[in-house]
Amino acid sequence: DADVTQTPRNRITKTGKRIMLECSQTKGHDRMYWYRQDPGLGLRLIYYSFDVKDINKGEISDGYSVSRQAQAKFSLSLESAIPNQTALYFCATGEQRNEQFFGPGTRLTVL
Amino acid sequence: AQSVTQLDSHVSVSEGTPVLLRCNYSSSYSPSLFWYVQHPNKGLQLLLKYTSAATLVKGINGFEAEFKKSETSFHLTKPSAHMSDAAEYFCVVTSPNSGYSTLTFGKGTMLLVSP
Repeated sequence: DADVTQTPRNRITKTGKRIMLECSQTKGHDRMYWYRQDPGLGLRLIYYSFDVKDINKGEISDGYSVSRQAQAKFSLSLESAIPNQTALYFCATGEQRNEQFFGPGTRLTVL
Repeated sequence: AQSVTQLDSHVSVSEGTPVLLRCNYSSSYSPSLFWYVQHPNKGLQLLLKYTSAATLVKGINGFEAEFKKSETSFHLTKPSAHMSDAAEYFCVVTSPNSGYSTLTFGKGTMLLVSP
């Protein structure tokens, strides 16, 4: 079984809709992350969490919110989706100073 | 602030020839550095990492990278390219702003391998 899972894997939605992307991990790490990937821009950090009571904004948090429901679960919400949020979204988990382990990604299209 | 510059957006090689993907970083501290690979329509896989041990780091699939502090570089190399190496490669550095727990990605280098 995969260490980091994301649901859904693909989603097409309309402008103004609320969307939630979910992430679960079995690595046992406290730290979890959400990134978005756009062609030619690499991955950019949206939000991160060091434990259930800790939430931090990343480089591009505007228009997004997150919830850390448990050590193993971290969800990303788009309260009112807009077309420029069309991207590939990755969840990751890891430890301080060390590599992160990524989920398979969610491809989101906002029409 | 830390940053990562991948000097080439695209690199084309022939199968069997050497691969060189260039990465420079800027920081005022000693970072951890990584190379990740992303095959088409796939997630990210760790190739190798430098975390202040040996400066020459060996990774999976024959890749290696050398940390050169004086040049602030962490270039990725492979002696002989395979068709299966065609993918996008990301150079990544840890950030001190979050207690070294967040990563900053380069914009990526697309490696094209021709027969």
